[in-house]
Amino acid sequence: EVQLVESGGGLVQPGRSLKLSCAASGFTFSDYNMAWVRQAPKKGLEWVATISYDGSSTYYRDSVKGRFTISRDNAKSTLYLQMDSLRSEDTATYYCARSYIGTTVFDYWGQGVMVTVSS
Amino acid sequence: DIQMTQSPASLSASLGETVTIECLASEDIYSNLAWYQQKPGKSPQLLIYYANSLNDGVPSRFSGSGSGTQYSLKINSLQSEDVSIYFCQQNYDSPYTFGAGTKLELK
Repeated sequence: EVQLVESGGGLVQPGRSLKLSCAASGFTFSDYNMAWVRQAPKKGLEWVATISYDGSSTYYRDSVKGRFTISRDNAKSTLYLQMDSLRSEDTATYYCARSYIGTTVFDYWGQGVMVTVSS
Repeated sequence: DIQMTQSPASLSASLGETVTIECLASEDIYSNLAWYQQKPGKSPQLLIYYANSLNDGVPSRFSGSGSGTQYSLKINSLQSEDVSIYFCQQNYDSPYTFGAGTKLELK
């Protein structure tokens, strides 16, 4: 059974940093591109970043480019999101998601982790 | 960025009814369109990809159609467990954008 379990969320002040983790199991992690998708409270979904299966390529939405870094450790089957210079508009539930092979369709999602940016 | 306009924003229907949700892309996305279901308090689940391909395990009462800029999700014979928010997503070009969602409730 595919499982994605996020951790690392919490309350953080504007301008500070936070690192999210996503532990994957139930599939060959190194075969799949992975992504982070966020959802602000009572709002819609917003793609944040994607990393290729081998970590060689990364893609970001403009609003997080230069502040967020997506990475992975295939030996540990773990995905990461380093979030620096956090802003209030980054407040959201962050989901780790697996990309359906060859696409940017998300076929499995974690349960999500809440990040609140507030002073 | 490609804008995805979903309609209606909310929908109320009776058990056994057929409902249709529409999604309009701001440019041609060549059928690179997915639909997700998000039940209250849960993470999204993939229903349909490439406009009309049913994901494994999804009931056959769900179907997708469309091409170019116009797409739709149809739910036949509405069941109580279908109460959810439904999102469309284009996976044609970065940033991969979602519709604002359609909240489906039982009448």
